Amino acid sequence: AQSVTQLDSHVSVSEGTPVLLRCNYSSSYSPSLFWYVQHPNKGLQLLLKYTSAATLVKGINGFEAEFKKSETSFHLTKPSAHMSDAAEYFCVVSERTGRRALTFGSGTRLQVQP
Amino acid sequence: GAGVSQSPRYKVAKRGQDVALRCDPISGHVSLFWYQQALGQGPEFLTYFQNEAQLDKSGLPSDRFFAERPEGSVSTLKIQRTQQEDSAVYLCASSATSGSSILTGELFFGEGSRLTVL
Repeated sequence: AQSVTQLDSHVSVSEGTPVLLRCNYSSSYSPSLFWYVQHPNKGLQLLLKYTSAATLVKGINGFEAEFKKSETSFHLTKPSAHMSDAAEYFCVVSERTGRRALTFGSGTRLQVQP
Repeated sequence: GAGVSQSPRYKVAKRGQDVALRCDPISGHVSLFWYQQALGQGPEFLTYFQNEAQLDKSGLPSDRFFAERPEGSVSTLKIQRTQQEDSAVYLCASSATSGSSILTGELFFGEGSRLTVL
């Protein structure tokens, strides 16, 4: 079975400061991991994904995440927050073998203060 | 179309009514998923289609939920005898990948249909 834990339901940062959204996963097999972003009244959009290549993954809008197998973590970071980054972020896991379904975390709401 | 289109965007139903939610995926996308997102939660898997075949319906919460994709493009999620606990946003997603590649491919999501059952 696979699961995802997003450690913070809300994160608030000031514009221009670093962003860290934490995610831990549990998986029986070698997982693929994703971060999706959901802006208000918009569809979920893929930020980045890890699928067993480089452990440091770069995504859109300056976001990146590092896969750490020893810590079972896949934290999302960005060096400098922008007001437009305010949204809900979901960490997602899928197993390479097994049912064709993504398992979503409960989400982290990012607020960016001016 | 340019993206995944869902309708209606908002639906209010009285308890016991039947509802139908439509998803028009990106043209040519083989795979189609339905997810249910309760307030303050992440999306939860309901069902998966590869073309017209429903390969996984293990996430459907009860036999009141039924999904179809008869021609391998547009899909409809039907909920019979709606209950208050069915209130949620129903998300549709499509992907160009299929088979084992679906596990690593990008899903394109619609904006969802928000169902409120009174």
